Amino acid sequence: DAKTTQPTSMDCAEGRAANLPCNHSTISGNEYVYWYRQIHSQGPQYIIHGLKNNETNEMASLIITEDRKSSTLILPHATLRDTAVYYCIVRADSWGKLQFGAGTQVVVTP
Amino acid sequence: GAVVSQHPSWVICKSGTSVKIECRSLDFQATTMFWYRQFPKQSLMLMATSNEGSKATYEQGVEKDKFLINHASLTLSTLTVTSAHPEDSSFYICSAVLLTLARTYEQYFGPGTRLTVT
Repeated sequence: DAKTTQPTSMDCAEGRAANLPCNHSTISGNEYVYWYRQIHSQGPQYIIHGLKNNETNEMASLIITEDRKSSTLILPHATLRDTAVYYCIVRADSWGKLQFGAGTQVVVTP
Repeated sequence: GAVVSQHPSWVICKSGTSVKIECRSLDFQATTMFWYRQFPKQSLMLMATSNEGSKATYEQGVEKDKFLINHASLTLSTLTVTSAHPEDSSFYICSAVLLTLARTYEQYFGPGTRLTVT
């Protein structure tokens, strides 16, 4: 599976949009981009995933560049409860094992 | 969404004893479950893949004789840490794979089990 690169940390003001970048320049044509988050001392939570089209659900939006070498997770209106480590993962199949990188520590401040 | 539980949520044991951690898919059947380990301020590390009715597949560097995995039913996988030592103290997390009605696979995580070996 392709490797991903994310910033170590970022801060976001409550109520504002949080844009989390992820680089995956070696992604293959059949690999999906998945996003999970982990609130402190809890199990990871699925957020969203996509192949090449932009995706949106009740939690977030996923924007994938046309060349698929990078993507951005958008939390439209960040709340304090969105403080967590966000993981961008690229993998070929939808059921297989997940390889977690270091992720981005997002801190939402009042 | 689907729910995965773990029991216990935390456990303290003495060095040299064994500890069993259960992972259950509460409202769906999971042919495949995964076990992860997470040390403080680190990311999750995959330990093994647990398949119902067959032997688990361990990641490189994980001792299969120390971390015994049993997936005896479609809703239960267990991880037994044998002869635990303080360096086994960690946060253990499982996940279960659900085949949805749309014929896609979704992976759901348990809340984790905090193991402390004294």
